[in-house]
Amino acid sequence: SAVISQKPSRDICQRGTSLTIQCQVDSQVTMMFWYRQQPGQSLTLIATANQGSEATYESGFVIDKFPISRPNLTFSTLTVSNMSPEDSSIYLCSVESFGYTFGSGTRLTVV
Amino acid sequence: LAKTTQPISMDSYEGQEVNITCSHNNIATNDYITWYQQFPSQGPRFIIQGYKTKVTNEVASLFIPADRKSSTLSLPRVSLSDTAVYYCLVGEGYQKVTFGTGTKLQVIP
Repeated sequence: SAVISQKPSRDICQRGTSLTIQCQVDSQVTMMFWYRQQPGQSLTLIATANQGSEATYESGFVIDKFPISRPNLTFSTLTVSNMSPEDSSIYLCSVESFGYTFGSGTRLTVV
Repeated sequence: LAKTTQPISMDSYEGQEVNITCSHNNIATNDYITWYQQFPSQGPRFIIQGYKTKVTNEVASLFIPADRKSSTLSLPRVSLSDTAVYYCLVGEGYQKVTFGTGTKLQVIP
């Protein structure tokens, strides 16, 4: 199965700023998925990113708040924009490769 | 997307076999059933996947009845290191999947 390198692993950010999270996959994959996991909760899908097209966002998530880039088949970024304390969560990327493989997550704290 | 229902939490003593059942009444013909394990501060990790009957690997077994409306993850002789959240997912490959609440397993010494 694929191996995902996700960074940063954690960050503390000021409200009103933006953070870009990167995921690098060691093989080419068609779709990449971005999730949010709030403390003590399950994972919620933010969007699905295909290479060469705009990401598809789930209900409750919008492109202006969570812009996603997918420049090639091995890389994607998620930006959390204009952050507020409510954005404090773990953000994870995932790919489908003989079952879904997940990055180690980015723990974001907004102060 | 098939919705899944699992117990919120379970406790087990070390050395016991643990069975976690997942209900997925509206599973589609092409859907597979996959279980994941998540430790705190880590991403979910693939445990086992099946379509029907029984699948076994080095860490777990997965039992799926003929109607496929439920599945049971069986962990033999659990240890403290098996304390984690276990998620049952149902879906077809190359599509998005929806996570349910998961089952928080606490292994007691």
